[in-house]
Amino acid sequence: DTAVSQTPKYLVTQMGNDKSIKCEQNLGHDTMYWYKQDSKKFLKIMFSYNNKELIINETVPNRFSPKSPDKAHLNLHINSLELGDSAVYFCASVAGPVGTQYFGPGTRLLVL
Amino acid sequence: DQQVKQNSPSLSVQEGRISILNCDYTNSMFDYFLWYKKYPAEGPTFLISISSIKDKNEDGRFTVFLNKSAKHLSLHIVPSQPGDSAVYFCAASDRGSQGNLIFGKGTKLSVKP
Repeated sequence: DTAVSQTPKYLVTQMGNDKSIKCEQNLGHDTMYWYKQDSKKFLKIMFSYNNKELIINETVPNRFSPKSPDKAHLNLHINSLELGDSAVYFCASVAGPVGTQYFGPGTRLLVL
Repeated sequence: DQQVKQNSPSLSVQEGRISILNCDYTNSMFDYFLWYKKYPAEGPTFLISISSIKDKNEDGRFTVFLNKSAKHLSLHIVPSQPGDSAVYFCAASDRGSQGNLIFGKGTKLSVKP
């Protein structure tokens, strides 16, 4: 059983489109994250949600909007996609504010 | 401004020998450090961690050393195995900030048979 799953695994789209990436965890964790790994391989946190509430929102454009319908899901919606949004997006979850984060397999987004 | 630095992008080691991966950090507020391992097309997986109250933590073939005065940590893998070939990320956290992890750029380890 996959602990943290993401869909889709690959996403190729045109500039200006709106797309969503979904994340689900079956670990019963309270906190979920979205990370972005850019072309320089930096893995940076974007958002953190704890029990459906936004905890961390790093400097991320408003075009990115996370949505957490319940504790087990954290989706990422991106409006008006730009070339610079091309990256690998990882979802992660952790049992509490401090602990080992478990990562999903990543969603490879390519904006043309 | 990188708070967590892994200055070696790659490392090649012979099977059976020791692999030493290094990580430096700048933020003295970091009090929890982790190593993650990542295979291609997969997400990072947790390997080992260390709290700032310790200077060493060992788990099987993996040992993490922390030198707080030098703001340096290292991961030792001994003996290295071909299956250890992966990208290793160092991460640090200031637990007072809700456990936000700051990652280094990673070091690609290749263990040759």
